[in-house]
Amino acid sequence: EIVLTQSPATLSLSPGERATLSCRASQSVSSYLAWYQQKPGQAPRLLIYDASNRATGIPARFSGSGSGTDFTLTISNLEPEDFAVYYCQQRNNWPLTFGGGTKVEI
Amino acid sequence: EVQLVESGGGLVQPGGSLRLSCAASGFTFSNHAMSWVRQAPGRGLEWVSAIGGGGTATYYADSVKGRFTISRDNSKNTLYLQMSSLRAEDMAVYYCARSLIGWGLFDYWGQGTLVTVSS
Repeated sequence: EIVLTQSPATLSLSPGERATLSCRASQSVSSYLAWYQQKPGQAPRLLIYDASNRATGIPARFSGSGSGTDFTLTISNLEPEDFAVYYCQQRNNWPLTFGGGTKVEI
Repeated sequence: EVQLVESGGGLVQPGGSLRLSCAASGFTFSNHAMSWVRQAPGRGLEWVSAIGGGGTATYYADSVKGRFTISRDNSKNTLYLQMSSLRAEDMAVYYCARSLIGWGLFDYWGQGTLVTVSS
C-alpha cells in the first residue's frame, strides 16, 4: 500500500498569504496525484488532478506541482473561503490511498 | 447537473449488516467507475471500494475485503454497498464518488450517509 504523508499537519496563515502544502508518497505514483479541499460538514471537492491540472471551476490561485514521490499544493493569496482541510490522494496503485490531511487555519 | 444522493445509513449493532445506496443523476451512469469513500468522526478520508462502469470489475480496501460488497444497477442509476459483520471501526460517514477519468479520480461526491456501529 502506498502511504501518503502530508505536512505540515496544520498551517496557520492570514488572508492574502501563500500556503504551501506538501504530500510525499512512500513509492512513486507517477503523476497520478490529486488534491481535495474539505470544509466542515461538507463532502470533499476536487481541486487538482494528475499533479498539476486544475479541476473545472477551480480558481487560478490553486496550483499543483511534482511527480514521482514529492508533490506540492500552493494556494497563492489566501481567501477567507480557503481555510479548510486539504487531502492528497493517489490513483497509481490499488488500494487507492489518501494522505492524512493538512488543516489550513487562520 | 450531476447529483449523487446516498441513503441507507443508520444505527447497527456490531456484527450486523446494512446496505447503502447511492442514486445518481445528471450523467451517463454506466460510463463512469464509482467508489465508496468513508470518513470516521474527526478523521481523514479512507477509500473503501470501487466498481467499474460495467459492474464486473471491483476493488476493495483490505480493511473491508470479505465483509463488504460493492455493486451497481445501471438500469436504475444506483450504486450499492452491502456491509456485513460490521465493527466499531466501520463507523463513519460513507460517501459515494464518481470517477472523472478511469479509476479513482473523484470529481463528484454525494453528501454522505452516517453509519453508526454500536450496541
